Amino acid sequence: DQQVKQNSPSLSVQEGRISILNCDYTNSMFDYFLWYKKYPAEGPTFLISISSIKDKNEDGRFTVFLNKSAKHLSLHIVPSQPGDSAVYFCAASAGTGTASKLTFGTGTRLQVTL
Amino acid sequence: NAGVTQTPKFQVLKTGQSMTLQCAQDMNHEYMSWYRQDPGMGLRLIHYSVGAGITDQGEVPNGYNVSRSTTEDFPLRLLSAAPSQTSVYFCASRQHRGAGETQYFGPGTRLLVL
Repeated sequence: DQQVKQNSPSLSVQEGRISILNCDYTNSMFDYFLWYKKYPAEGPTFLISISSIKDKNEDGRFTVFLNKSAKHLSLHIVPSQPGDSAVYFCAASAGTGTASKLTFGTGTRLQVTL
Repeated sequence: NAGVTQTPKFQVLKTGQSMTLQCAQDMNHEYMSWYRQDPGMGLRLIHYSVGAGITDQGEVPNGYNVSRSTTEDFPLRLLSAAPSQTSVYFCASRQHRGAGETQYFGPGTRLLVL
């Protein structure tokens, strides 16, 4: 049972446009959400996170939106750049305390074209 | 800082063979974990450790053993490799025990079991 779902395996966006990556979750106990970016042959790297007490968090070109009632979060990249081409994983945890564990989605491959 | 390092980068095993995947971090992080990444499955937690001498099971622990004798090292042992363990393995660490802390990933070990 996939508790964190990324229903779009891939997304292609033109350079300069907005990229929107979506993530849905089923576990209502999740209260902390993260996005990781992964290039081929490398480990994932942390991108941005959001706590359930917020509905938006912004860091430069990256913004994450959280809709708790819909159990949905999205990552917006504006403007998209060719270097953003990577696989993006959504992750969630129930609590941020001792030994809290991350549950990952299946990933969305973003391709930013010229 | 080298961050999180993993060896080997790539390994081929025959069914029934054993091996140890090495993971080390030089950031004095308390929390370390092992994930496997399979197509269409995202990253799944195998085992984790909240400190030296303390380990626990994750989502998919069967067929794997871990130990944490030092803060720096967290090896993953496959006692009798099976084709179902063909995967890419990532080690990760974070400073504290909370999911709110950024988790750093190693570059991965690609394992093929024939």
